[in-house]
Amino acid sequence: EPEVTQTPSHQVTQMGQEVILRCVPISNHLYFYWYRQILGQKVEFLVSFYNNEISEKSEIFDDQFSVERPDGSNFTLKIRSTKLEDSAMYFCASIGQGNTGELFFGEGSRLTVL
Amino acid sequence: ELKVEQNPLFLSMQEGKNYTIYCNYSTTSDRLYWYRQDPGKSLESLFVLLSNGAVKQEGRLMASLDTKARLSTLHITAAVHDLSATYFCAVDKWGTDKLIFGTGTRLQVFP
Repeated sequence: EPEVTQTPSHQVTQMGQEVILRCVPISNHLYFYWYRQILGQKVEFLVSFYNNEISEKSEIFDDQFSVERPDGSNFTLKIRSTKLEDSAMYFCASIGQGNTGELFFGEGSRLTVL
Repeated sequence: ELKVEQNPLFLSMQEGKNYTIYCNYSTTSDRLYWYRQDPGKSLESLFVLLSNGAVKQEGRLMASLDTKARLSTLHITAAVHDLSATYFCAVDKWGTDKLIFGTGTRLQVFP
């Protein structure tokens, strides 16, 4: 069964460092998302991406964050200068054709900022 | 702003018992989703409810949607330990392509 894959599964970084989280969405999906979940809390929307551009972003997604789809398969989330409060699980998700809106999530990338 | 609230936040129940988790949301939406999350894991889609009155069942779980009341329920029948997890509802915000998640209900089923 097709699935969304994410790398790395866990990254530890120092505050102020740049981090790139990678995702390979399901191959025929058209809409891509990043969500995050701070430990023990609810899942929060960060950004949606369609047709090679951001379609919507939340107030969390400030200038330190960026997304791109550089090669038609990978979908990346970059955090330019990490802060302690960026520590969270980051989930990539995608939606397919015949859109019921059901998101298919990857396994997540745990980011720990020290 | 769309708000999605679940109750209870935490539920400890004995195997074999029944219980209902409630999901209320604040603005109009016709699509609601239930997800399950095991500790440290991803979100697994359980149900997609696309219209008023929709009811879906899978095993010991049954979900329903009342769009007029802006309420969805997730009913657990004869709980078993394997159902222990956190359950999230999520609502599709009209005019956008994002889901707003509820606060989550952490379910523990004990013998």
